[in-house]
Parts: sequence; structure tokens; C-alpha cells
Amino acid sequence: GQNIDQPTEMTATEGAIVQINCTYQTSGFNGLFWYQQHAGEAPTFLSYNVLDGLEEKGRFSSFLSRSKGYSYLLLKELQMKDSASYLCAACDGSYQLTFGKGTKLSVIP
Amino acid sequence: IAGITQAPTSQILAAGRRMTLRCTQDMRHNAMYWYRQDLGLGLRLIHYSNTAGTTGKGEVPDGYSVSRANTDDFPLTLASAVPSQTSVYFCASSDSDATDTQYFGPGTRLTVL
Repeated sequence: GQNIDQPTEMTATEGAIVQINCTYQTSGFNGLFWYQQHAGEAPTFLSYNVLDGLEEKGRFSSFLSRSKGYSYLLLKELQMKDSASYLCAACDGSYQLTFGKGTKLSVIP
Repeated sequence: IAGITQAPTSQILAAGRRMTLRCTQDMRHNAMYWYRQDLGLGLRLIHYSNTAGTTGKGEVPDGYSVSRANTDDFPLTLASAVPSQTSVYFCASSDSDATDTQYFGPGTRLTVL
């Protein structure tokens, strides 16, 4: 089966940088997604990596290493509104998305 | 443009009753998905459809059925609800398959008593 691991909770200070790690094991691989989900709301797309390397998009960057089955989401210049859950999801060989349990990030003043 | 809508927003249901959750998208996406989200378990795929007329089973399909008569609509039916089906249900759609960004509806909070 598919297995996605990410930390359950993290806390960081406003203005700081935080890195949320994700490891995955899937039968086949067709890319890694990160979604943001604020409490009581639907998930929204942040990033997609299918090749090794870093993808930068404003304050958010995502990294992928296919050989290590590893990804991270980097959030810079943290703002209070970044307090949310961050969901890692891997697309497997049958083109199905498996989500991790999510990392709840709390940004404190 | 509404994007993707779900109805109802929330529902309390007696065990044993039949319930259909509605999902409609206006983005002309080919693929649609149903997930349930439970505390501590994350999002789990129930059923999916890659194109109108076809459906497939996800990770947790038991007790649920779907149909895809046209591109826009993807209803999820609980034939005989049980308390373990208490959850938040999200519908999502993507352009062609799961390598494309999935856009999620606002969710339906279902409680089965």
C-alpha cells in the first residue's frame, strides 16, 4: 500500500522560516503535492513537484528527492494567516492521490 | 463561476437511512473524486471518476456508491448509513487525472446517529 509520513504538529514564530517534511512510499510515482487547509475549510493547492529539485513560489517553496522518497515545504517570512494544516499527497502509479495525515502549523507572535 | 459546490452543507442522519451527497462542478473537468476526512486519519479517497460514464474505487469504498452520468455531477450515496460514516466529505475535481491540481468543494459535514 501507500504510506505518507509527516509530522503531526509544528509551531513557529511570526517572521521566521519553517520546513515541513514529508516522506512517501508508493507503488509507482507521478508527483508530490502540497495543499493548505485552514480549520473548517477545504484544502487548496500550494505546489506540485514531479522532478527532483526546488520549486519556488513567493514565500513558499517545495523540494523533491525521488530517490529518497522525500519532500519538504518551506515557508518563509511566516505570517499569522499561515496557521493551517499542510497536507502532503503523493500520486502513485495508478494515478491516485494518497494524502498524509497533515501537519498542523501554529504561528505565534 | 462557482467552481465546485456541494450540498448539503451539513446533515444529521439516523442510522439505516439512505443519503445522497451532491457535488457539481462548472469547470468542465474530466476527473472527480470523493474523499472523507476524519480527525487523525487525514483525507481518504472513497471513489473517483476519470471521465463521465466511468467510476473507480478508492481506499475506503465500502458502504458508498457513486455515479457519473454527465461531466458536471458526481453524487455520493450512502445506501444504509452507519455511525462510522460520520465524517466531513469533500468532493474534488481535476482537469484530467490525479497529476493535475485538484479543486475541492466546501465539504459536507455528516453525522450519523
